[in-house]
Amino acid sequence: AQSVSQHNHHVILSEAASLELGCNYSYGGTVNLFWYVQYPGQHLQLLLKYFSGDPLVKGIKGFEAEFIKSKFSFNLRKPSVQWSDTAEYFCAVNVYSSASKIIFGSGTRLSIRP
Amino acid sequence: DTAVSQTPKYLVTQMGNDKSIKCEQNLGHDTMYWYKQDSKKFLKIMFSYNNKELIINETVPNRFSPKSPDKAHLNLHINSLELGDSAVYFCASSDGPRSQYGYTFGSGTRLTVV
Repeated sequence: AQSVSQHNHHVILSEAASLELGCNYSYGGTVNLFWYVQYPGQHLQLLLKYFSGDPLVKGIKGFEAEFIKSKFSFNLRKPSVQWSDTAEYFCAVNVYSSASKIIFGSGTRLSIRP
Repeated sequence: DTAVSQTPKYLVTQMGNDKSIKCEQNLGHDTMYWYKQDSKKFLKIMFSYNNKELIINETVPNRFSPKSPDKAHLNLHINSLELGDSAVYFCASSDGPRSQYGYTFGSGTRLTVV
């Protein structure tokens, strides 16, 4: 079965530190990849997405992610985090089949110390 | 205008009751979804409708019954509520069942069963 793994459950950083959150998926077919962010008490918002072309994708708020097909990975990065980046981050995969659906990873909680 | 709106935002009810959650989208999308987010923030798809037709039905107890009166609305009715149904339920929409562009989520309904 298709799955998405986020190995970091909780990451704690100081402001201005660099961020990298890991994401791996298991599916051999065509995929679209996403990172969503959920700020405390809010709904999910799309940070960035990949569906073809340049494997380095830039999103909102200075985030970027790199799709490495050989490693089935789609890691999220930000060179310098801010306190306002404190949130839950979800990696997700849209699996193409007769009825495609987005499968989410278990999420990574990011806490930024001011 | 809110793109995907859910009502109510909070719902507290006793075990054994029947309750409904409503969802409406004004994006002109053809496909709508229900996701359940448990206490550990894990998101799991429950149902998907494309143009009023059920296309995804994950292994959800049949106490949960989705209804789509038109493609802009997808409601969720839950019979005989149980403690384990306590969660945040998110509605989402996309421009088609094979959308490359990800989903737009509503703000969620926090259901607490006591």
